[in-house]
Amino acid sequence: EIVLTQSPATLSLSPGERATLSCRASQSVSSNLAWYQQKPGQGPRLLIYDASKRATGIPARFSGSGSGTDFTLTISSLEPEDFAVYYCQQRSNWPLLFTFGPGTKVDIK
Amino acid sequence: QVQLQQSGPGLVKPSQTLSLTCAISGASVSSNSDSWHWIRQSPSRGLEWLGRTYHRSKWYNEYAESVKSRIIINPDTSKNRFSLQLNFVTPEDTAVYYCARISGSGKYYFDYWGQGTLVTVSS
Repeated sequence: EIVLTQSPATLSLSPGERATLSCRASQSVSSNLAWYQQKPGQGPRLLIYDASKRATGIPARFSGSGSGTDFTLTISSLEPEDFAVYYCQQRSNWPLLFTFGPGTKVDIK
Repeated sequence: QVQLQQSGPGLVKPSQTLSLTCAISGASVSSNSDSWHWIRQSPSRGLEWLGRTYHRSKWYNEYAESVKSRIIINPDTSKNRFSLQLNFVTPEDTAVYYCARISGSGKYYFDYWGQGTLVTVSS
């Protein structure tokens, strides 16, 4: 089973600052990694898929990079609505399992 | 625009069956390219994938090993929805349950999610 770890657990930043979030896989997932944003009381929202492709309607300030085992989600300049929890996610085939990282909370400093 | 609308009870007694339904609009449960999933979220287990149903000339179901002995996911083509049944629940099954879609064969990311249902297992 591939395990995803995320760091840091919490990131305290001010609006306008740059956020850099990390996701590490226990073995290579190639570029098959997605990122989601979740706000309180809501389901996750797809931001990035295939490591670097923005989902429909996602602002350009969100970008993803990486391949293999190390991935980064960058928010270039934090807007007030970006303070939320962010998860990475991948799929293993044998056995079939979709797994999520534990999340990084971006909160207001 | 795809929408997933969940329904079902928020309280289930231990050893009984948890049942939830996810109604689909803007897409078809019988699509030969989409798959339909249940995922839950709790403070102790985080986001946990439970299983999926999908149609590729015939129906397929696949489940996470952690719940495989207790779970059934069924499509309902007459009402364009799918359901989750989790048997013999314990307090550890207390979580927010989500339905979600993956669009496209071979894809792995969830593009639409239901609103979530908090299910508490308690006597």
